Amino acid sequence: EVQLVESGGGLVQPGRSLKLSCAASGFTFSDYYMAWVRQAPTKGLEWVASISYDGGSTYYRDSVKGRFTISRDNAKSSLYLQMDSLRSEDTATYYCTRYVMDAWGQGASVTVSS
Amino acid sequence: DIQMTQSPSLLSASVGDRVTINCKASQNINKYLNWYQQKLGEAPKLLIYNTNNLQTGIPSRFSGSGSGTDYTLTISSLQPEDFGTYFCFQHNSWPLTFGSGTKLEIK
Repeated sequence: EVQLVESGGGLVQPGRSLKLSCAASGFTFSDYYMAWVRQAPTKGLEWVASISYDGGSTYYRDSVKGRFTISRDNAKSSLYLQMDSLRSEDTATYYCTRYVMDAWGQGASVTVSS
Repeated sequence: DIQMTQSPSLLSASVGDRVTINCKASQNINKYLNWYQQKLGEAPKLLIYNTNNLQTGIPSRFSGSGSGTDYTLTISSLQPEDFGTYFCFQHNSWPLTFGSGTKLEIK
């Protein structure tokens, strides 16, 4: 069974950093692109970033470019999202997804507030 | 960026009804279109991928069609468990984009 389990969410002040992790199991992690998708409270879904099989290629939405970094460790079957210079508008539930979004984690809540 | 315009935003239907939800892309997305169902407090669930391919485990009452810029999700006979919000999603080009969602209520 495919499982994606996020961790690392929480409350953080504007301008600070937070790192999300996603532990994958039930499939060969290195065979898939991976991605992060977020959903602000009572809002729709928003793609954040994607990463290729070996991490050699990464893709970001414009609003997070230069602030967020997606990475992976295939030996640990883990996906990461380093979020720096956080803003209030980054407040959301962040989902780890297997590309092309056919499997999702339960989500990690990130709240950016002073 | 490719804009995904989803309609209607709210839909109320009865059990047994045939329901259609539409998604229009601002440019050709070459059938790289997925449909998701999301229930309150849960992660989205993939229903249809690449326009018309039913995800494993999804009931056959769900189907998808379309090409170019226009795509449709159809539920042939609505069931009580089909309530929730439905999203379309294009993965033809970066940045990947979702529709704004259709909230489906059961009468």
